[in-house]
Amino acid sequence: QVQLVQSGAEVKKPGASVKVSCKAFGYTFTSHYMHWVRQAPGEGLEWMAVINCNDGRTTYAQKFQGRVTVTRDTSTSTVYIEINSLTSEDTADYYCARDFSRGETSWWFDPWGQGTLVTVSS
Amino acid sequence: SSELTQDPAVSVALGQTVRITCQGDNLRSFSASWYQQKPGQAPVLVIYDKNNRPSGIPDRFSGFSSGNTASLTVTGAQAEDEADYYCSSRGISSYYWVFGGGTKLTVL
Repeated sequence: QVQLVQSGAEVKKPGASVKVSCKAFGYTFTSHYMHWVRQAPGEGLEWMAVINCNDGRTTYAQKFQGRVTVTRDTSTSTVYIEINSLTSEDTADYYCARDFSRGETSWWFDPWGQGTLVTVSS
Repeated sequence: SSELTQDPAVSVALGQTVRITCQGDNLRSFSASWYQQKPGQAPVLVIYDKNNRPSGIPDRFSGFSSGNTASLTVTGAQAEDEADYYCSSRGISSYYWVFGGGTKLTVL
């Protein structure tokens, strides 16, 4: 059964960093890209980044360039997202989601991890 | 503001049909996918590649796309369909992805 299992909730102070993990089960890890999406309380979904789990290449939303780093460990089938210089605006649920694509015109995310709540508060 | 525009809220009577739309120039070049999110839960894929349903998604969910508009139709809406629905597509100008602002579906 394909499943993405994320690490537990985190509480951080402003200015700190946080690293969230996403462990993949039930498929060949290196055959798919992995995305990170976040959702602030009461808000919509916001795409953050994608990583090629085979070669580790990454692409980030412009908003997060330089402050977010996505990595993967093929030995444990785990993807990580690290966010630096946290502010209260980073308080959100963070989701990983496996990438599927068809040609160069169609992409979708399935499945999603259960989400990791990161709370930034002094 | 998002590159993909959705109505914030839509309501439907139990058993009736409702259409949720998503507009954006991205959709002229890239297919939309649709996600259902219930309170306190992660999003779930309901439509991909314009009009394909993953296994386990009821056939009352269907998708359609024309020009700059994609739509998700729920035919014979059930109480359990009450949720937020998000469309997604690739960004128009580069290698990135976007989501619509979401539509809250209420089943009356």
